[in-house]
Amino acid sequence: GENVEQHPSTLSVQEGDSAVIKCTYSDSASNYFPWYKQELGKRPQLIIDIRSNVGEKKDQRIAVTLNKTAKHFSLHITETQPEDSAVYFCAATSGGYQKVTFGTGTKLQVIP
Amino acid sequence: DTAVSQTPKYLVTQMGNDKSIKCEQNLGHDTMYWYKQDSKKFLKIMFSYNNKELIINETVPNRFSPKSPDKAHLNLHINSLELGDSAVYFCASSPWAGRASLGANVLTFGAGSRLTVL
Repeated sequence: GENVEQHPSTLSVQEGDSAVIKCTYSDSASNYFPWYKQELGKRPQLIIDIRSNVGEKKDQRIAVTLNKTAKHFSLHITETQPEDSAVYFCAATSGGYQKVTFGTGTKLQVIP
Repeated sequence: DTAVSQTPKYLVTQMGNDKSIKCEQNLGHDTMYWYKQDSKKFLKIMFSYNNKELIINETVPNRFSPKSPDKAHLNLHINSLELGDSAVYFCASSPWAGRASLGANVLTFGAGSRLTVL
């Protein structure tokens, strides 16, 4: 089955700096890569996603890049703000029923 | 008009008891899921139903039994609760499993049910 590794597990940045979270996946047939944000005590919510036929996608301050050959994908947050503080999960979707396998999460802390 | 609602939000019980968590979605989605989030925040899929049919059944003890009476509801019953079952259980839904169209795989989560086994 699919295995998704995520690094780093914790990340502290100063407000205004950029943050980068990296993930790798094992199943070359995976074709959809969402990122979810989970604020403390809340439910995970989709913030951005990318499909395997696209190399990069951007939405305001967040962007995701995908390298299918290396089976890597990354989340980039620019001009970080305190409200960006949360746990971020990458995920990969594979198989006939498109099972979503999550990475282990990255706790991002943005220091004001 | 919560999209995915699950009850109860908190559940505290003794080892050996049996408990259930209920989930309902009003999004018209075809697929529903149970995820377990442990104390380290790992999110692991347990089960998935597509239009009442079980399609994903991960390596989960058979003390856990899901039931989907219709495509808008997915319940989770847990027998003989153990300390290690303590976690937050998230219900989720998505439009359709197996269809690679835009948005088909997007998960909408419920607020979670925090289970504490003493």
